[in-house]
Amino acid sequence: EDQVTQSPEALRLQEGESSSLNCSYTVSGLRGLFWYRQDPGKGPEFLFTLYSAGEEKEKERLKATLTKKESFLHITAPKPEDSATYLCAVVGPGGGNKLTFGTGTQLKVEL
Amino acid sequence: DAGVIQSPRHEVTEMGQEVTLRCKPISGHNSLFWYRQTMMRGLELLIYFNNNVPIDDSGMPEDRFSAKMPNASFSTLKIQPSEPRDSAVYFCASSQNRDGAQYFGPGTRLLVL
Repeated sequence: EDQVTQSPEALRLQEGESSSLNCSYTVSGLRGLFWYRQDPGKGPEFLFTLYSAGEEKEKERLKATLTKKESFLHITAPKPEDSATYLCAVVGPGGGNKLTFGTGTQLKVEL
Repeated sequence: DAGVIQSPRHEVTEMGQEVTLRCKPISGHNSLFWYRQTMMRGLELLIYFNNNVPIDDSGMPEDRFSAKMPNASFSTLKIQPSEPRDSAVYFCASSQNRDGAQYFGPGTRLLVL
């Protein structure tokens, strides 16, 4: 069974203080790893898909990286509007498009 | 594009009543997913359809839950009878098979009293 563990559960940063969120996964034959952002009262918003170890993707202050065991979401010089819950999900070999989600990291960026 | 549309956005009902949640996927997407989100269990996949056909319903908690997709632009999730433990936010998502990225709707917040 696919498993996804995210850490930390919660993170508080000062504006401009860069940090990383971790997503560790156990999947035999990863077909894709996905990062989502979720704001309170809203549905998850798609950010990135990573398919193979060594792959990196960037969007504004966010950069996602992937190894064979984990993914990192690096946040550079965060702003208060980056405050949200960040979710990681994986698709394994037999999963079709079936995503297994982690429980998320709740990020708060303060002025 | 309008994105995934869900209705109602909020539903309050009494235990034992039937609840029907509705979803319109993004046009051109051929996979549709129903999820449930709670504080305790996070996001859980209930069922997903590919080309209107149910592929995996192993996440459906019990027979009280059923889902249909009569055509490419509409799906329903029904709970009958509803119970207080069904209270959660229910999300619908859709995707194009080629890249797997799922796009979520705004969710239906269900409260069963």
